[in-house]
Amino acid sequence: EAGVTQFPSHSVIEKGQTVTLRCDPISGHDNLYWYRRVMGKEIKFLLHFVKESKQDESGMPNNRFLAERTGGTYSTLKVQPAELEDSGVYFCASSQGQANGAFFGQGTRLTVV
Amino acid sequence: QKEVEQNSGPLSVPEGAIASLNCTYSDRVSQSFFWYRQYSGKSPELIMSIYSNGDKEDGRFTAQLNKASQYVSLLIRDSQPSDSATYLCAVNPDVGYSTLTFGKGTMLLVSP
Repeated sequence: EAGVTQFPSHSVIEKGQTVTLRCDPISGHDNLYWYRRVMGKEIKFLLHFVKESKQDESGMPNNRFLAERTGGTYSTLKVQPAELEDSGVYFCASSQGQANGAFFGQGTRLTVV
Repeated sequence: QKEVEQNSGPLSVPEGAIASLNCTYSDRVSQSFFWYRQYSGKSPELIMSIYSNGDKEDGRFTAQLNKASQYVSLLIRDSQPSDSATYLCAVNPDVGYSTLTFGKGTMLLVSP
């Protein structure tokens, strides 16, 4: 069974550009999460989908971030326009039940220069 | 603000020893507790979950939870060099809440 997959693994963009990250969760997992780790800090929650609905987006830093999960399958996270402080590793995770631990993808390392 | 605290380490143990990793959390109503292992440059890997007070064993790993003290630990018996990684403590902060609050992680180094 395939795990959580993320694309791309690395992205280097200039300040002001747009980047879209993609996550394919484990098949059958209704819950999909986005997390971010900036250098020197802990992994922090951004957003939670249940199927195609946003359950909780309290961790989204600002309106430059837009997450979608059309059809309840894969999800995208768009940053537009990117700022220097957006640099970090963006993790996607998925789970079956809401109280279960989530399974993480390998992450997308985003560098904004 | 809800927090999860871990000693950043590194915690150094010789091969074959018991490694003890500790974590405290601030939110008393936390319900679920998880340990993730993360190798450098890789994704966090779920290795243990615990939901009630006491011990839970899985192979060489034992998770211990004490909700009264707001403390959760992970013991690794017969530590191997391949156990060298960063261990992340994560807490599900509330009933009906499924998002995780992470600590910064403890780096474990197991020397041959």
